[in-house]
Amino acid sequence: DAGVIQSPRHEVTEMGQEVTLRCKPISGHDYLFWYRQTMMRGLELLIYFNNNVPIDDSGMPEDRFSAKMPNASFSTLKIQPSEPRDSAVYFCASSLYGGTKQETQYFGPGTRLLVL
Amino acid sequence: DQQVKQNSPSLSVQEGRISILNCDYTNSMFDYFLWYKKYPAEGPTFLISISSIKDKNEDGRFTVFLNKSAKHLSLHIVPSQPGDSAVYFCAAEGGAQKLVFGQGTRLTINP
Repeated sequence: DAGVIQSPRHEVTEMGQEVTLRCKPISGHDYLFWYRQTMMRGLELLIYFNNNVPIDDSGMPEDRFSAKMPNASFSTLKIQPSEPRDSAVYFCASSLYGGTKQETQYFGPGTRLLVL
Repeated sequence: DQQVKQNSPSLSVQEGRISILNCDYTNSMFDYFLWYKKYPAEGPTFLISISSIKDKNEDGRFTVFLNKSAKHLSLHIVPSQPGDSAVYFCAAEGGAQKLVFGQGTRLTINP
């Protein structure tokens, strides 16, 4: 398997523009997670899905952020409008529920976002 | 409110010696703990985990210790190798499939 795939790997945009990050989870995994990494706060969970349904979006910072998972093999994280403080590395991860305890999460390579 | 804290942003250790990375948590409902390792320009990868019913788990050069009364866990790497240089994240899970990560500790192994 190719692992979790994220695109783009790098994104530079101007304040006010819409940004869309994409993720393809590992085939067969039923959980998908979006994280944001910053120096100050480390890895923060933004939102996660189970079987394409959003379960917990309490980590989404503001209404400017939205995420969708239209099918089991694709998810998007959208920021509209983007602001300089959104600059960070965004990771997507997927996992397969093992029945008794969460299985390991497998992370994609991340999207490095810079908002000017 | 940072529920999982790694108070050392960086650590430098000589090759062959022991590396000890520390992590503290505040939520007593956490029952499963993990360490992830991250190289530059890559996503974190799972390293080792421990359930709250245990106080130690070992996997080769890596050992994780859990002290529930102190709400503290540590990762020991013995002996440290240059390839161990990376950022290490501590994470905790308390149900609902969510992981709460710390800020990370950058480990540098010096030859």
